[in-house]
Amino acid sequence: QQQVKQSPQSLIVQKGGISIINCAYENTAFDYFPWYQQFPGKGPALLIAIRPDVSEKKEGRFTISFNKSAKQFSLHIMDSQPGDSATYFCAARSNTNAGKSTFGDGTTLTVKP
Amino acid sequence: KAGVTQTPRYLIKTRGQQVTLSCSPISGHRSVSWYQQTPGQGLQFLFEYFSETQRNKGNFPGRFSGRQFSNSRSEMNVSTLELGDSALYLCASSFQPGAQLVTYEQYFGPGTRLTVT
Repeated sequence: QQQVKQSPQSLIVQKGGISIINCAYENTAFDYFPWYQQFPGKGPALLIAIRPDVSEKKEGRFTISFNKSAKQFSLHIMDSQPGDSATYFCAARSNTNAGKSTFGDGTTLTVKP
Repeated sequence: KAGVTQTPRYLIKTRGQQVTLSCSPISGHRSVSWYQQTPGQGLQFLFEYFSETQRNKGNFPGRFSGRQFSNSRSEMNVSTLELGDSALYLCASSFQPGAQLVTYEQYFGPGTRLTVT
């Protein structure tokens, strides 16, 4: 049973455009939703995270939108740059399993110059 | 603060051998989690250690084991290696001020790339 579903699998965006990646979860016990960015040969790097008591969080060009009733959250990358080309993972955790993150399958983002 | 470090970075082993991977968490972080990353299965949770105790375990066979030391450093061991164990093994640390189950940010190391031939 896949608890976190991520889409799309791959995404191509022009420089300056908006990249949008979506995730849906099933376990209502999840209370922490981070996004990670991973470059080839590197470990995932925490990008931005949100808790379900807020509907949106913005950090620079990165915004998480959260819809608790729909059990969905998304990452928006504004003014996408070629340096943003990477694989992005959404994840979810609960305080009853604080050390365990459940990950989506990842989205490979390519930003064309 | 220094980030999460993992050693070795690359490893080549033969089927049937065993391997030990090491992880040093960020200073002050007491929770260490291990993940396996493969192209087919994505990122899968192996186990989590907190204060030298395994607090959570994923759906992996008993060939996968781990431990944590008093300084929070952690090791994971894979015995009787199989070709399917070839993967990037990632360690992540998290700040946990006490035994309370509160979600804090997890920070990942660069991983150990294990190749089984």
